[in-house]
Amino acid sequence: GENVEQHPSTLSVQEGDSAVIKCTYSDSASNYFPWYKQELGKRPQLIIDIRSNVGEKKDQRIAVTLNKTAKHFSLHITETQPEDSAVYFCAGFSGGYNKLIFGAGTRLAVHP
Amino acid sequence: IAGITQAPTSQILAAGRRMTLRCTQDMRHNAMYWYRQDLGLGLRLIHYSNTAGTTGKGEVPDGYSVSRANTDDFPLTLASAVPSQTSVYFCASSDSQGSSTDTQYFGPGTRLTVL
Repeated sequence: GENVEQHPSTLSVQEGDSAVIKCTYSDSASNYFPWYKQELGKRPQLIIDIRSNVGEKKDQRIAVTLNKTAKHFSLHITETQPEDSAVYFCAGFSGGYNKLIFGAGTRLAVHP
Repeated sequence: IAGITQAPTSQILAAGRRMTLRCTQDMRHNAMYWYRQDLGLGLRLIHYSNTAGTTGKGEVPDGYSVSRANTDDFPLTLASAVPSQTSVYFCASSDSQGSSTDTQYFGPGTRLTVL
């Protein structure tokens, strides 16, 4: 089955810097990779996703890249702001029907 | 439109007791899921349902059961709670068709403490 590893577990940056979170996956058949943001005490919410037929996707200050050969994908946040502080989860789509396997999460702290 | 709701918001439960966590969605999504979230372990899938009348096991199904009698409701039952089931439980749903994937929308969560 799918195994998703995420690193780093914690990340601290200064406001305005970039942040990069990386994930690797094991199932070469995985074809869908969403990223979720979870603020303290709140529910996870989708911020961006990528499918295996594209290598990069951008949405304003966030972007996701996918390397199918190496089986890894990354979240890039540019010009970070304090409101970007949260836990970010990556996920890979497991074999079988609609089963996401999540990474353990990255706690991002953006300091003013 | 409420989206996806869960009840209760939080619960303290004695070990050995039976507990049902409720989840309801009004988006007519065909797929629903239950996850547990523990510190350092992310979100782990407990059970899922692709459509009303069907259910399947996720990564950590032991000690839990689910049913899907209709499209809107997907209750999770702990038959005899144990302290290791202390966690935050999230229900989610998605409008997935066939082999396609779609965004999963999460409920607000239930914080369960088993003593």
